[in-house]
Amino acid sequence: GENVEQHPSTLSVQEGDSAVIKCTYSDSASNYFPWYKQELGKGPQLIIDIRSNVGEKKDQRIAVTLNKTAKHFSLHITETQPEDSAVYFCAARSGGSYIPTFGRGTSLIVHP
Amino acid sequence: GAGVSQTPSNKVTEKGKYVELRCDPISGHTALYWYRQSLGQGPEFLIYFQGTGAADDSGLPNDRFFAVRPEGSVSTLKIQRTERGDSAVYLCASSLIPGSDEQYFGPGTRLTVT
Repeated sequence: GENVEQHPSTLSVQEGDSAVIKCTYSDSASNYFPWYKQELGKGPQLIIDIRSNVGEKKDQRIAVTLNKTAKHFSLHITETQPEDSAVYFCAARSGGSYIPTFGRGTSLIVHP
Repeated sequence: GAGVSQTPSNKVTEKGKYVELRCDPISGHTALYWYRQSLGQGPEFLIYFQGTGAADDSGLPNDRFFAVRPEGSVSTLKIQRTERGDSAVYLCASSLIPGSDEQYFGPGTRLTVT
């Protein structure tokens, strides 16, 4: 089955800095890569996703990049704000499945 | 409702007891998913429903775990003879159609087995 590795486990930045979270996956059949943000006491919320036919996608201050050859994808957050502080999860899903496999999460702390 | 709701928000039970966790998906969503999230981990898949039927229950860890969705809306996750290792946050998610990209998660039920 799919295996998703996520790094770092904790990321601390100053407000206004950029943050990058990286994930690798093992199943070359995976073709859908969502990113979720989970705030304390809440369920994960989809913030951005990318499909395998695209190398990069942007939505305001967040962007995702995908390298299919290397089987890795990354989340980039620019101009971080304290409200960006949360746990971020990457996930990968193969074309034949409805179920994503999640990474272990990155706790992002943005200091004012 | 506005989103996926789960009850109770917290459940403390003694080892060996039976528990039921409830999920109310977004109205009209045909697909429903249960996940388990241990501390410091990502959600781990348990079971997935299309309508009333369990389309994939390969994530259920053993036969103490069972889930139903009798009318294709509300779902109940049932755990028999609970063990301390069952302590986790149980998340429910729903999507409009099976395979839909966005799964909408509820806030979860924190289960503590003492």
